[in-house]
Amino acid sequence: DQQVKQNSPSLSVQEGRISILNCDYTNSMFDYFLWYKKYPAEGPTFLISISSIKDKNEDGRFTVFLNKSAKHLSLHIVPSQPGDSAVYFCAASGFMSSNTGKLIFGQGTTLQVKP
Amino acid sequence: GAGVSQSPSNKVTEKGKDVELRCDPISGHTALYWYRQSLGQGLEFLIYFQGNSAPDKSGLPSDRFSAERTGGSVSTLTIQRTQQEDSAVYLCASSLVGTRSEKLFFGSGTQLSVL
Repeated sequence: DQQVKQNSPSLSVQEGRISILNCDYTNSMFDYFLWYKKYPAEGPTFLISISSIKDKNEDGRFTVFLNKSAKHLSLHIVPSQPGDSAVYFCAASGFMSSNTGKLIFGQGTTLQVKP
Repeated sequence: GAGVSQSPSNKVTEKGKDVELRCDPISGHTALYWYRQSLGQGLEFLIYFQGNSAPDKSGLPSDRFSAERTGGSVSTLTIQRTQQEDSAVYLCASSLVGTRSEKLFFGSGTQLSVL
């Protein structure tokens, strides 16, 4: 039962273009969403988050959009840079997690940004 | 060190043997999490420690898995009678107090291979 799904295992974009990574969730109790980035042989690092009371959050080149009715969120990276090449994980939490940071992660999307 | 430290970085063991994985969280962080990532899968929650509270063990896949956290700092994840399906990257994370809006800081993980 995959509550958080990233249906695209991989994505390849040209440097300077926009990267759009997608994530779908099934549990309507989720109300906080995060994106983590992972380089090989390293642990995931926090990238950006969004609360369900918002539909957009922006941090520099990174913007996360949330569509609650569609249970869908996306991460936009613009412009994409070769250093952005990594695995991106979508994660969610909700009231059923009590007040903990216990997260439900998607399978990840490998982004390759070509010079 | 400044980050979450995990050891060993790699562990190869024979089926049926016991293994211990260690996590040293960021100093001052009261919340500690164990996740694992199997090949091609997302991060799967295993267990959560917060201060002196009883741990949330809801993600442990079987009674062969156990974890403890001594003195509110270092944690050890023990897998008894390892099976091939236990092969995965085991990731430890910590956060300051464990609320849902906090980012998690991950270690680099332990790659466990069960032959």
